[in-house]
Amino acid sequence: GQSLEQPSEVTAVEGAIVQINCTYQTSGFYGLSWYQQHDGGAPTFLSYNALDGLEETGRFSSFLSRSDSYGYLLLQELQMKDSASYFCAVSPNMGRRALTFGSGTRLQVQP
Amino acid sequence: DVKVTQSSRYLVKRTGEKVFLECVQDMDHENMFWYRQDPGLGLRLIYFSYDVKMKEKGDIPEGYSVSREKKERFSLILESASTNQTSMYLCASSSRTSGRALGELFFGEGSRLTVL
Repeated sequence: GQSLEQPSEVTAVEGAIVQINCTYQTSGFYGLSWYQQHDGGAPTFLSYNALDGLEETGRFSSFLSRSDSYGYLLLQELQMKDSASYFCAVSPNMGRRALTFGSGTRLQVQP
Repeated sequence: DVKVTQSSRYLVKRTGEKVFLECVQDMDHENMFWYRQDPGLGLRLIYFSYDVKMKEKGDIPEGYSVSREKKERFSLILESASTNQTSMYLCASSSRTSGRALGELFFGEGSRLTVL
C-alpha cells in the first residue's frame, strides 16, 4: 500500500518562507505532486517532481529526494492569499494512473 | 479555459436512496477519477477510469459504483446511500501522456453530499 506523512498545520507570517515536508512509503514510486486547496474550493495543481532535485515556479519550489522517500514544498514571500491546505500526492507507477494523497497541511499566514 | 464540471454542488438525500453524481470534462482526457474528501483524511480514491467503459477500484470502492459510457463523462453511483457516505466528492481528470501529466489532475468544484 501507500502512506504519506505531512504536518497537519503550519503557521507563518507574511513575507516569510515556509517549508512543508512530505515523507512517503509506497510499493512503487513514479513522482511526487503538490496541490493547493482554498476553503470551499477545488484542489489545484502546483508542481510535480519525478527526478531528484529542486523545481522552481515563481514563489513556489518543490524538492524531491527519491533515496530518502522525501519531498517538500517551499513557499517564499508568503502572502495572505497563500493561506490554504496543501497536499502532497504520489504517482505509484506508470500503470496506476491515480494519485494517492496525503492528509494535507493547513497553512495559516498571519499579518 | 479547461474545465471539470460536477452536476451538483450540494445534495441532501435520505438513507437508502440511490444517488447519482455526474462529472463532465472538456479536455478530451483519457483518465477520470472520483475521490472522497473528509477532514483529516485527505483525498481518498473511490474509482478511476482510464478509458470508455473501463474502470478500476480505488482504495474505498465499497458502497459505490461508476459508469463511463462516454469519454467526457464519469458518473459515481451510490446504490443505497448511508449516513457514513456523507462527504465531499471530487471528480478529476488527467491526460494519459507521460511527464508532468502523470502528476497533474484537474479537479471539479466538488459535490457536498449529506445523507440523513
